[in-house]
Amino acid sequence: GAVVSQHPSRVICKSGTSVKIECRSLDFQATTMFWYRQFPKQSLMLMATSNEGSKATYEQGVEKDKFLINHASLTLSTLTVTSAHPEDSSFYICSARGWLAGATDTQYFGPGTRLTVL
Amino acid sequence: LAKTTQPVSMDSYEGQEVNITCSHNNIATNDYITWYQQFPSQGPRFIIQGYKTKVTNEVASLFIPADRKSSTLSLPRVSLSDTAVYYCLVGDEVGGNEKLTFGTGTRLTIIP
Repeated sequence: GAVVSQHPSRVICKSGTSVKIECRSLDFQATTMFWYRQFPKQSLMLMATSNEGSKATYEQGVEKDKFLINHASLTLSTLTVTSAHPEDSSFYICSARGWLAGATDTQYFGPGTRLTVL
Repeated sequence: LAKTTQPVSMDSYEGQEVNITCSHNNIATNDYITWYQQFPSQGPRFIIQGYKTKVTNEVASLFIPADRKSSTLSLPRVSLSDTAVYYCLVGDEVGGNEKLTFGTGTRLTIIP
């Protein structure tokens, strides 16, 4: 099946620092990637849609200057949490949209990145 | 955006067949129905996707009635490792990008 990786899997940082999370589609090209955030015991909340070579589209209420998204290639998207604060602590998950042989277009999710801001 | 409604939680015994039903009354003509499974601290895992009637793969079946306003995920002979949250999603075309909106999901607990 399709594999989407994220790095790092876990990060702890001090308040005020910036953290970059990478999302890679390993066996298919993804023109569109998505970034989600999930708080404990809650569902996934879509933060932004990232298209290769263009600016990301952010969901309402998500600060684009705080959550910088770059989708420089068909296999890599990055999310940078700038000037992180404790309330940004969450589980960040990316997904990549693609096709597998015999299947329709769907989204495949990465394993997630646990961010803890002290 | 198409919205989905699922039971918040379900319990079942090992070895039983589990059916989780999802309502999506506002599904659009071009929308597909996709189910994901999520374990704690992991990303959702694709289970199955369908458009109409019945779809079956090695882990589950998906039943979709003719009006497509609901769907049922069927897990045959569940085991303890099937304890997870199951999400039903309906694809929604927005500006040419298909984004999925997650509902609350169904927390399935398998009892020994």
